[in-house]
Amino acid sequence: RKEVEQDPGPFNVPEGATVAFNCTYSNSASQSFFWYRQDCRKEPKLLMSVYSSGNEDGRFTAQLNRASQYISLLIRDSKLSDSATYLCADGYNFNKFYFGSGTKLNVKP
Amino acid sequence: EAQVTQNPRYLITVTGKKLTVTCSQNMNHEYMSWYRQDPGLGLRQIYYSMNVEVTDKGDVPEGYKVSRKEKRNFPLILESPSPNQTSLYFCASSLGQGLDEKLFFGSGTQLSVL
Repeated sequence: RKEVEQDPGPFNVPEGATVAFNCTYSNSASQSFFWYRQDCRKEPKLLMSVYSSGNEDGRFTAQLNRASQYISLLIRDSKLSDSATYLCADGYNFNKFYFGSGTKLNVKP
Repeated sequence: EAQVTQNPRYLITVTGKKLTVTCSQNMNHEYMSWYRQDPGLGLRQIYYSMNVEVTDKGDVPEGYKVSRKEKRNFPLILESPSPNQTSLYFCASSLGQGLDEKLFFGSGTQLSVL
């Protein structure tokens, strides 16, 4: 079983829509999680950190559900510029990060 | 500007010809790491380093070497590249020491081994 699993998508949504992705993790001892955004073949860039129950930054909200071992990313009022691949990461041990294979989002006009 | 610099951006080589991908960071980060990214497999860690002269294997270290002689540099060495090492490679760094795990990535190296 992979340490981190994500639905690859693609999620095709219209502008202005609200979209949510989930990411499951296998290590119950993990304490820190991250969402990264990656544009085609470019470097991942940190979007949000999730250390406790959740985190909110503008249109983006990340939630952590320890009981069910998943994290979620909610994007409200989607913009065309939100089109990208979203990677979740388990920072179980700060030496080792486990990344999901990513969820692709396409926001259409 | 704070950044992680990787070179080259693109590299085409032939089987068995030794190559080095350089990585340098200017943020005085203690922790540095190499990843490869393949379709459907996501980012997989190759090697990491917690400080100068301290390196350890990640999940897919076979066929790779690294060194950390200076804090800012962490080159990835392929002594005898093979076609299954064709991939997109990323170097990353963070403060380490459990202070801040946020990873900063270089712009990537697309390697093709023929």
